[in-house]
Amino acid sequence: GAGVSQSPSNKVTEKGKDVELRCDPISGHTALYWYRQSLGQGLEFLIYFQGNSAPDKSGLPSDRFSAERTGGSVSTLTIQRTQQEDSAVYLCASSLDGKTQYFGPGTRLLVL
Amino acid sequence: AQSVTQLDSQVPVFEEAPVELRCNYSSSVSVYLFWYVQYPNQGLQLLLKYLSGSTLVKGINGFEAEFNKSQTSFHLRKPSVHISDTAEYFCAVSGGSNYKLTFGKGTLLTVNP
Repeated sequence: GAGVSQSPSNKVTEKGKDVELRCDPISGHTALYWYRQSLGQGLEFLIYFQGNSAPDKSGLPSDRFSAERTGGSVSTLTIQRTQQEDSAVYLCASSLDGKTQYFGPGTRLLVL
Repeated sequence: AQSVTQLDSQVPVFEEAPVELRCNYSSSVSVYLFWYVQYPNQGLQLLLKYLSGSTLVKGINGFEAEFNKSQTSFHLRKPSVHISDTAEYFCAVSGGSNYKLTFGKGTLLTVNP
């Protein structure tokens, strides 16, 4: 079956611009996670959605980061006023049981 | 709070040799443990997981890992590696109410001919 998909696969933007990253989870998976992978910080948790519950935003690094999940499926991660330190690979994962997470291919973001 | 330590940042081995990638964790709650593999410019692929039950778990591509609660370890092993196993390997732990994964820094496995 289809796995987690993410778009775009690569994004180059200028400092100060806003970007939107999209994640399509595996069909039927109620849990969705965003992580960031950077050279300096490794893999870090950003945000977690479970069904219709309020998201766990405890990993978002600043108020420039936000995410939403529409209809319990597709999720969009938005970064406002991008900074060079936002350059990283943004990974999305989904889970049926909340325990085992399956990852998408990631979006590589470069902020110039 | 949870943390994961991968003791080796790089492990070079020759093809057909055995390999062990070490992982230690700390957690104040019951844990679930995972190994993921990442090939260049790709996402993370699940190799194997420990949720409960038998402490020896087998995964894809001939890998296995053993959960040792007393030593808080979850080392990954393969008896004979191939060139295609060259990749970065991440150990991860989850637990608590949101199951978020806490990752180690990764181990780059390089298999040489």
